[in-house]
Amino acid sequence: SQELEQSPQSLIVQEGKNLTINCTSSKTLYGLYWYKQKYGEGLIFLMMLQKGGEEKSHEKITAKLDEKKQQSSLHITASQPSHAGIYLCGADMYDMRFGAGTRLTVKP
Amino acid sequence: SAVISQKPSRDICQRGTSLTIQCQVDSQVTMMFWYRQQPGQSLTLIATANQGSEATYESGFVIDKFPISRPNLTFSTLTVSNMSPEDSSIYLCSVITGAGTEAFFGQGTRLTVV
Repeated sequence: SQELEQSPQSLIVQEGKNLTINCTSSKTLYGLYWYKQKYGEGLIFLMMLQKGGEEKSHEKITAKLDEKKQQSSLHITASQPSHAGIYLCGADMYDMRFGAGTRLTVKP
Repeated sequence: SAVISQKPSRDICQRGTSLTIQCQVDSQVTMMFWYRQQPGQSLTLIATANQGSEATYESGFVIDKFPISRPNLTFSTLTVSNMSPEDSSIYLCSVITGAGTEAFFGQGTRLTVV
C-alpha cells in the first residue's frame, strides 16, 4: 500500500490555468520532497519542505507543507506546456517513500 | 549537492542471466537506496544499501535475487539475478546527503529482459 497518497493521478489543464497537486500521509513527514520527471528523462528535484507551515517557491511553482506536517500541496500558477510531466512527492520516513505520481498535461 | 553516475543506462538481457548496476557518487553519502519503477507504476524501494554491512531489503525483495554491495560511502552496486521478463523495469539509485536536506537520483538503468 502507498504510504503517501498523491492526487490526482492525472491532470489535463489548458495553458494559463492554475493547478494543485496534493500529497498526504498518515504519518508525520520529516522531509517532504517534490520531483518532476519529464517523459523519458530522469527525476528532477524541485524543492524540499521540512517545517510545518513552510512554503517554498521556484518560478511559478509553489509548495506548502501543512502545520501538522502530514500534507503537502504543489501549486502551479499560469501553467505552460513546459510544466508537463510527472510530478512525484517523496517523503523521508527513515528511508525514502514516494507517491504514485501525477501525470500533468498542459494543452496549448 | 551530489552528482550520481549510474551505469549502464540501459541494457537488453537474456532471461536467466544477471546484470550488475553501478552507482557512483561524487561525495560521501550516508544513505543510499535502490528503487525499481516498473512500467506504469510508482517507484518502489528495493533496499537500503548500508556501508560495511548487509543491505536492508523491503518486503517482497530478497538478497538472493537482488544482491547489493556497498564497499564505501561513494559506491554501490545492485545485481538483478536470474532475470525473467518480469524484471524489465527502470532501476534507480538514490542518495540523501548527510544533512538530510536533499535527495538525488541517478539517471536510471532501463532493463529489458527477453
